[in-house]
Amino acid sequence: AQSVTQPDIHITVSEGASLELRCNYSYGATPYLFWYVQSPGQGLQLLLKYFSGDTLVQGIKGFEAEFKRSQSSFNLRKPSVHWSDAAEYFCAVGSNNAGNMLTFGGGTRLMVKP
Amino acid sequence: EAGVAQSPRYKIIEKRQSVAFWCNPISGHATLYWYQQILGQGPKLLIQFQNNGVVDDSQLPKDRFSAERLKGVDSTLKIQPAKLEDSAVYLCASSLESGAIYEQYFGPGTRLTVT
Repeated sequence: AQSVTQPDIHITVSEGASLELRCNYSYGATPYLFWYVQSPGQGLQLLLKYFSGDTLVQGIKGFEAEFKRSQSSFNLRKPSVHWSDAAEYFCAVGSNNAGNMLTFGGGTRLMVKP
Repeated sequence: EAGVAQSPRYKIIEKRQSVAFWCNPISGHATLYWYQQILGQGPKLLIQFQNNGVVDDSQLPKDRFSAERLKGVDSTLKIQPAKLEDSAVYLCASSLESGAIYEQYFGPGTRLTVT
């Protein structure tokens, strides 16, 4: 069965500082990996996704993520955080075997200090 | 293009009562999903439809939860009777087709509080 672990429940960074959110997955084959962001009272918005090819993927809002098969990781990064980035971030792994089923991690809440 | 619509946005009920949620997916999207998101956790898939057929409902508590998508467009999710542990945000999502390469678009959710 596929699973996702986000080790950090809360992270606080200063505005302008760099950010890295961790994600580890468990999946038997080549995974489809996603990062979503959820602002308070909103649905989830896709930031970026990895299916194959270049292991460094670029997303919206200046985010990027790197797929490392040897570490079963897909960490999200941003070089300079803005106050508007404060939100909850979810990593997810997808399976094409079960009709697009996504398994989400528990999420990381990001707070940004002025 | 209009996004995924859900109603109501908030609902408060007492335990043992029934409740229904409605979802209208993005026009042309064949696949519709219902997720349950308990506070502090990631979303968990309850049921997935492809047009008006069920693809996966393995995590739907069928003794109290039911869902339908009769005409292959909008969908309703019902809980009867509700329990305290059903308090959560219920998210609806849709995608063009079934398959992980197709992006899922999420609605704003319905926040259910069971007292």
